[in-house]
Amino acid sequence: GNSVTQMEGPVTLSEEAFLTINCTYTATGYPSLFWYVQYPGEGLQLLLKATKADDKGSNKGFEATYRKETTSFHLEKGSVQVSDSAVYFCALSPQAGTALIFGKGTTLSVSS
Amino acid sequence: GAGVSQSPSNKVTEKGKDVELRCDPISGHTALYWYRQRLGQGLEFLIYFQGNSAPDKSGLPSDRFSAERTGESVSTLTIQRTQQEDSAVYLCASSFFSGGRGEKLFFGSGTQLSVL
Repeated sequence: GNSVTQMEGPVTLSEEAFLTINCTYTATGYPSLFWYVQYPGEGLQLLLKATKADDKGSNKGFEATYRKETTSFHLEKGSVQVSDSAVYFCALSPQAGTALIFGKGTTLSVSS
Repeated sequence: GAGVSQSPSNKVTEKGKDVELRCDPISGHTALYWYRQRLGQGLEFLIYFQGNSAPDKSGLPSDRFSAERTGESVSTLTIQRTQQEDSAVYLCASSFFSGGRGEKLFFGSGTQLSVL
């Protein structure tokens, strides 16, 4: 079946540290991959996406590369800010017209 | 409205009562999704609508759960004879379905359901 596994949190970093949140997936076919973010008190929102192998999604300084050979879509940011503190969800879309499958979420806490 | 609207934002009910949760998607969005988020857990898919039909309702946990949608508009999720394990945040999302796999979902703020 289709599933997403992401690293468990919480992840605690100091401002300007490098961030990696691991995400691996299991899927039949060629899914699209996403990172969604939930800031405190807000709804989930799309952070970035990639729809085919070797694509790199990027937004707000965050990046993730769709690696088919390792079935991974790790989220990275070179220098985190306090405002990046949130819960990050990795997700996949197996095929058109199907619902997104989400990972359990990783809480990131950045201190100044 | 500007975004996906869910009501009520909070609902406290007694075990055994029925509850109805409402979702107003973004105007023009043909696809609508319900998810459940239990404390400390990820998002659990419940049901997906394309227009007013539900091609995938595989995530509904039991026959106490049902959902309907009027055209490409409002959807209601009904939980009958609520149990304590139903306590969770119920999230609704909508998207403009174009046939691809990269549609962006727009989420509402959720309904926090607490079953006492």
